[in-house]
Amino acid sequence: DTGVSQNPRHKITKRGQNVTFRCDPISEHNRLYWYRQTLGQGPEFLTYFQNEAQLEKSRLLSDRFSAERPKGSFSTLEIQRTEQGDSAMYLCASSSPPASGGLNTGELFFGEGSRLTVL
Amino acid sequence: QQPVQSPQAVILREGEDAVINCSSSKALYSVHWYRQKHGEAPVFLMILLKGGEQKGHDKISASFNEKKQQSSLYLTASQLSYSGTYFCGSRKTGANSKLTFGKGITLSVRP
Repeated sequence: DTGVSQNPRHKITKRGQNVTFRCDPISEHNRLYWYRQTLGQGPEFLTYFQNEAQLEKSRLLSDRFSAERPKGSFSTLEIQRTEQGDSAMYLCASSSPPASGGLNTGELFFGEGSRLTVL
Repeated sequence: QQPVQSPQAVILREGEDAVINCSSSKALYSVHWYRQKHGEAPVFLMILLKGGEQKGHDKISASFNEKKQQSSLYLTASQLSYSGTYFCGSRKTGANSKLTFGKGITLSVRP
């Protein structure tokens, strides 16, 4: 499978625990995005990387959230001291930079997501 | 700032046409359209770029009105497989800016 891979697919945790999600992007993509999606809502931007550099992080994201992409390949998203409001689907997407005039549209390829339930 | 999508929901019979809209209060560099089926990841449909360039799906068309900062997605002769939630995403300042999604429009196509 050459798509975006996310692990674990499901995570149930107790309030106050730390959780970590992993995303393996499509190998030739240098951009990686994290989004959060709750029922009935669109994907909410969390952060994105170009190679290993974190280019932007949502101001809505509290200090309990951190993301890394140390070698410019896979990425991890850690949530510390989880709260019930963190329950959501965490989506990862990858892309290559859009190139004008070519076939590359800069479209995002999404993984299946990691569903977090905080009890 | 999140783009605004309308209407909130659409119900169609197979073969009917539909138009769904996405608008922003700020200037847009590009608009993306994605479709998400229940329990699945969003899938890319179409991108519209400032200046009118358009890339994407063979059976679905879209427009981008730069003056109104609005994009519309046209679904013609709808099929059962078109059912799902349609999200528009926008980049404001260029190809390197983040992609922000609207809340989505649920489209249901019935036999």
